[in-house]
Parts: sequence; structure tokens; C-alpha cells
Amino acid sequence: DAGVTQSPTHLIKTRGQHVTLRCSPISGHKSVSWYQQVLGQGPQFIFQYYEKEERGRGNFPDRFSARQFPNYSSELNVNALLLGDSALYLCASSRDLEPSYNSPLHFGNGTRLTVT
Amino acid sequence: GESVGLHLPTLSVQEGDNSIINCAYSNSASDYFIWYKQESGKGPQFIIDIRSNMDKRQGQRVTVLLNKTVKHLSLQIAATQPGDSAVYFCAENRSQAGTALIFGKGTTLSVSS
Repeated sequence: DAGVTQSPTHLIKTRGQHVTLRCSPISGHKSVSWYQQVLGQGPQFIFQYYEKEERGRGNFPDRFSARQFPNYSSELNVNALLLGDSALYLCASSRDLEPSYNSPLHFGNGTRLTVT
Repeated sequence: GESVGLHLPTLSVQEGDNSIINCAYSNSASDYFIWYKQESGKGPQFIIDIRSNMDKRQGQRVTVLLNKTVKHLSLQIAATQPGDSAVYFCAENRSQAGTALIFGKGTTLSVSS
């Protein structure tokens, strides 16, 4: 079975631009979450969507937005890019709303975003 | 602050040794814990998870131990192999506080042959 797939794998943008990152969850998974991972640190929660509704939001500015489509795929949008937005953006999916013993969170390999 | 952390940023072992990676958490309300392995250039890979009503869970070559008294979590890897070299993260979920996983900073495991 295919795991969580993300595109593109790498992206270079300049300050002030916007970016759209895409994610396809594991088949049968209705929950998609987005995490930001800065070099040398653990992933930090940005958003969670479940059944096309936002169910959680981390401590990120309004420049960050996301949505989930009827097929459960998702997009993460970041506007007015800053140098500090350079990071690995990870998408994760799970079957249920909350990560749990029977529904762990599975991650994709991420999109490496570099802002110059 | 309320976050998941790891005791050691790096751990070096010889091939064949058993490895123990530790993690401390601060919130007794946390009720679900996961260990992830992250290799260079890849996303975190699910290893094993445990609920707060369990003390121990075993997988293939891995065991997770949970000590709620001292808020401590550990991952034991038996017969460590070079392919186990990676950064290991523990993460917690507090079901009363939302759906996000809270990650620590990670431990880099280096296995030499």
C-alpha cells in the first residue's frame, strides 16, 4: 500500500512569495495533519483536518492556511514567505480524528522548503 | 514547560549491542505515546506506540517501557544494527488538549560495525 505522499519534494522560493504544498493520505485515512520541522528539532504541529473540517491549529501566523478535499487530500498554503519559514514540511495521516493505539499517525517524507 | 524531552541528544553503540533511548514527559494527563525513527532526508517512521494504561509493549526487536510514576518513556532496541542509525523522537498526545502530537528534540543513534 502507498504511504503518505507529498509534493513537491523540494522547493526554493524568495521572500514575499507564496507556496502551496500537497499531500495525499494513506488510503482509508480521513485525517490529515501538517507539521513543520526546523533543522535539529522535532516536528511542530501546524494544522489538522478531519472530514474536510479544521480540527486543530497550532501556534502559527495567519499566513499559514490549509484545506482538505473530498478525496481527503490536503494542501498547505503559506503566504508572504519569510526566511524563517525554511523548513521540512511534513504531512501525516491517520484513520481516526485523534492519534491513538489503533490509529497511529503516519508521516510522509516531507517537502523541503528553502526561502531565500 | 509542558513538553516532551529526551535525556541525551546522542547515543553511540556497537553493532549487536542493545540500545536504550530515554524520554521524559512532564504532563501526567498525557495518555498516548509514540516512538518515531527519522532517517536523513525522510519523514518520521512509526516504530511503536503505547497507551497510558500499559507499562510495556513489545514489537519486533523493540520494546517501549512506560513509567508513569516518574513520567518516563524508553525505547529499547535489541541487537542494534547499522540500519538503526537515525534520529529517534518520542511524542505524546494529550487527548484532553487536542489532536496534536507533541514531539521532543530527538536522540541521534549512531551504530558502528
